[in-house]
Amino acid sequence: QKEVEQDPGPLSVPEGAIVSLNCTYSNSAFQYFMWYRQYSRKGPELLMYTYSSGNKEDGRFTAQVDKSSKYISLFIRDSQPSDSATYLCASHTGTASKLTFGTGTRLQVTL
Amino acid sequence: DADVTQTPRNRITKTGKRIMLECSQTKGHDRMYWYRQDPGLGLRLIYYSFDVKDINKGEISDGYSVSRQAQAKFSLSLESAIPNQTALYFCATSDPHAQETQYFGPGTRLLVL
Repeated sequence: QKEVEQDPGPLSVPEGAIVSLNCTYSNSAFQYFMWYRQYSRKGPELLMYTYSSGNKEDGRFTAQVDKSSKYISLFIRDSQPSDSATYLCASHTGTASKLTFGTGTRLQVTL
Repeated sequence: DADVTQTPRNRITKTGKRIMLECSQTKGHDRMYWYRQDPGLGLRLIYYSFDVKDINKGEISDGYSVSRQAQAKFSLSLESAIPNQTALYFCATSDPHAQETQYFGPGTRLLVL
């Protein structure tokens, strides 16, 4: 079993929809949680990070971590075609710098 | 200019050839990483380096070697390339004082025939 599990999609939504992207993890020692966005033929870019449980909001993006259920979420409001990309969740324990990544969910926002 | 650069961006090579992928960064980070990305498997760590004198194996280091020539440069070598090393390779850096968030280069697309 992978330490971080993510549905690969693809997920297709119409422009303006609210998107929910999710991951589950198995390592209780994970403390830092990140979301990366990867456009086709590009490197992953950091979108958001959170420490421990709770929510963090940045513009149209909200990251949510529920450590009790080991669940990580990213919500995108008013989705745009430019949001079409693969979204990777990642976690680490804080005592080591090695990130563990999910396999990524491909999102397509259609006009 | 990009903070993390990788050369070459694309490479085709033959089985048995030795090749080197190079990574340079201007972020001033001590920590650098090499990953490979395969469809359905995600990003997997090959090697990582916390400073010039500290190099560590990652999840899938067999068939690879690395060299940390300076704080800003970290190279990945395939000593004798094989077809299942065909993948997208990424270099990344991180700052231990900034929640260890990693910053990625644009990637090298490698095809081994």
